[in-house]
Amino acid sequence: IQLTQSPFSLSASVGDRVTMSCRASQSIRTSLNWYQLKPGKAPKLLISAASSLQGGVPSRFSGSGSGTDFTLTISSLQLDDFGTYYCQQSYSDVLTFGGGTTVDIK
Amino acid sequence: QLQLQESGPRQVKPSETLSLTCVVFGGSISNSGHYWGWIRQAPGKGLEWIGNIFNIGSTYANPSLESRISMSVDTSENKFSLKLSSVTAADTGVYYCARGQVPYSNASPWDYWGQGTLVTVSS
Repeated sequence: IQLTQSPFSLSASVGDRVTMSCRASQSIRTSLNWYQLKPGKAPKLLISAASSLQGGVPSRFSGSGSGTDFTLTISSLQLDDFGTYYCQQSYSDVLTFGGGTTVDIK
Repeated sequence: QLQLQESGPRQVKPSETLSLTCVVFGGSISNSGHYWGWIRQAPGKGLEWIGNIFNIGSTYANPSLESRISMSVDTSENKFSLKLSSVTAADTGVYYCARGQVPYSNASPWDYWGQGTLVTVSS
């Protein structure tokens, strides 16, 4: 199952609402997860099952979608939110990631 | 708090075998019922799943790497390992170990990750 993320990168200001997309090549129901990756740090699971916020993750992060189209939203961008965001499907036993969306702060 | 730590050679010669180990602290591999995984990131590229292993040794692997992968688990030392044979420069990257979040399911997100270790394939 292929995952296509868009945009490839975005630049936004603190306080902006940011959205990014992940599209699957076939229906994966809600088996879609989001990670944040920063240089030199362990990847962080933000959201599982399309919309379930992980413990300790700020409530400004939210996920939505089902089937083939998914969205990660940051309601009010903070300085600490820079990094690359990856979606990953856990519908199939062959696990795959999207290509990532890089967020930088203006 | 569960912690994972990767270890292994930082440089491997082309055609040789890359060997990495992930030690788990703060939890038992044998009692957890979780799958344990390997994921990598080549320089400038995205994340790529390598494979997962369960505590009794059953495995799932990325079909693109399956012929070159061997995974094992050592419950007595609370660690699991990866061997990737016949490496080339394309296998250079940061290798992460991680825990599958959903018990008894290979198809799961990973909720605990190691910091990653950079492995360079070069002569």
